[in-house]
Amino acid sequence: EAQVTQNPRYLITVTGKKLTVTCSQNMNHEYMSWYRQDPGLGLRQIYYSMNVEVTDKGDVPEGYKVSRKEKRNFPLILESPSPNQTSLYFCASRHSNQPQHFGDGTRLSIL
Amino acid sequence: AQSVSQHNHHVILSEAASLELGCNYSYGGTVNLFWYVQYPGQHLQLLLKYFSGDPLVKGIKGFEAEFIKSKFSFNLRKPSVQWSDTAEYFCAVTRDDKIIFGKGTRLHILP
Repeated sequence: EAQVTQNPRYLITVTGKKLTVTCSQNMNHEYMSWYRQDPGLGLRQIYYSMNVEVTDKGDVPEGYKVSRKEKRNFPLILESPSPNQTSLYFCASRHSNQPQHFGDGTRLSIL
Repeated sequence: AQSVSQHNHHVILSEAASLELGCNYSYGGTVNLFWYVQYPGQHLQLLLKYFSGDPLVKGIKGFEAEFIKSKFSFNLRKPSVQWSDTAEYFCAVTRDDKIIFGKGTRLHILP
């Protein structure tokens, strides 16, 4: 089954404690993205990747890092999380200009 | 700057009412257009897409959208909404392999 898998689905943690949200897709898509969704602000792109070892900043990259060592994986790293990074995060993948496939989301709470 | 605008942030309708959600984009040239739906607590799912050809496209669950190139618009319509259509709806545009989402319209259907 074609899918984008994110882990964890929920995480409550404290300020400054490094965390990683994993994302994996099994569709051999070149493009992968991370978004955060906040009330009234819609989806905002954090980082995206057009292929292995190619990543670029989206609209709100501050405080986040990503890597794309393999085509299927695109982890999101928060080196020193802060409360303003409390949000709902979605990973997505696609092939060229085709529709995005979204993961189920990760709800992060930073205390 | 390139953008996607959804005019209605929050729409409340009664069951069986007709629906039209506006979407305008600021790109020139050839674009691909999408509507996504996000049901409460779920991830975004593709509702319909336009790449080329007939500007009136039909999607799942009785939704349709019309691409009007001269107005840079891609409005979503449904003749008779149901309570189960309560969700958030996102318009998205891709051009040159970049994708931009609108801020979303929250639709609430009263039973």
